[in-house]
Amino acid sequence: DAGITQSPRHKVTETGTPVTLRCHQTENHRYMYWYRQDPGHGLRLIHYSYGVKDTDKGEVSDGYSVSRSKTEDFLLTLESATSSQTSVYFCAISGPSGDTQYFGPGTRLTVL
Amino acid sequence: GQQLNQSPQSMFIQEGEDVSMNCTSSSIFNTWLWYKQDPGEGPVLLIALYKAGELTSNGRLTAQFGITRKDSFLNISASIPSDVGIYFCAGSMYSGGGADGLTFGKGTHLIIQP
Repeated sequence: DAGITQSPRHKVTETGTPVTLRCHQTENHRYMYWYRQDPGHGLRLIHYSYGVKDTDKGEVSDGYSVSRSKTEDFLLTLESATSSQTSVYFCAISGPSGDTQYFGPGTRLTVL
Repeated sequence: GQQLNQSPQSMFIQEGEDVSMNCTSSSIFNTWLWYKQDPGEGPVLLIALYKAGELTSNGRLTAQFGITRKDSFLNISASIPSDVGIYFCAGSMYSGGGADGLTFGKGTHLIIQP
């Protein structure tokens, strides 16, 4: 298994509160990604990073921000959570040659 | 954005049967990937395809990268109970690097009846 951990694994929060999800890798890989998974939509890319302090938007980036201050950590922040952000969030890293992606165990977020 | 059409949405089969699922796209992809997801877990990579026409096997799984670069299929032979799960196709515009993220199909839910 690729060395990817996500924290927390489960979180329940209220509308309007800030939330930060953490992805940590032990593989020292350059690329990291955040996806959300919703019924009927599959997985959709939120943001990705191609190096420390280098990030870019994905398909569904509105309402989310990211930061990467160290190679091993990629943070996803919901500045003011909304019910539409209730979802399962997956972090992924690229393989050693950058040609595949490996996924973490996911964080289930519920916004009430 | 790009969309992948994955079919069928769900399959109910008997143990021992062969399974076939496919993905089509209106855009060209340079890499096709197939993942399996079990409940409560992240997707696990099954097969990666990098060249048009490529046929790759992984045990009982076989996948092909379509000649047009707009489609791919996955076959599972002699299904067993642990094959149950959701299978996703995913495509990348990059060859040799998924730098900008993957586009996913909506999944095929495989259910096996003993």
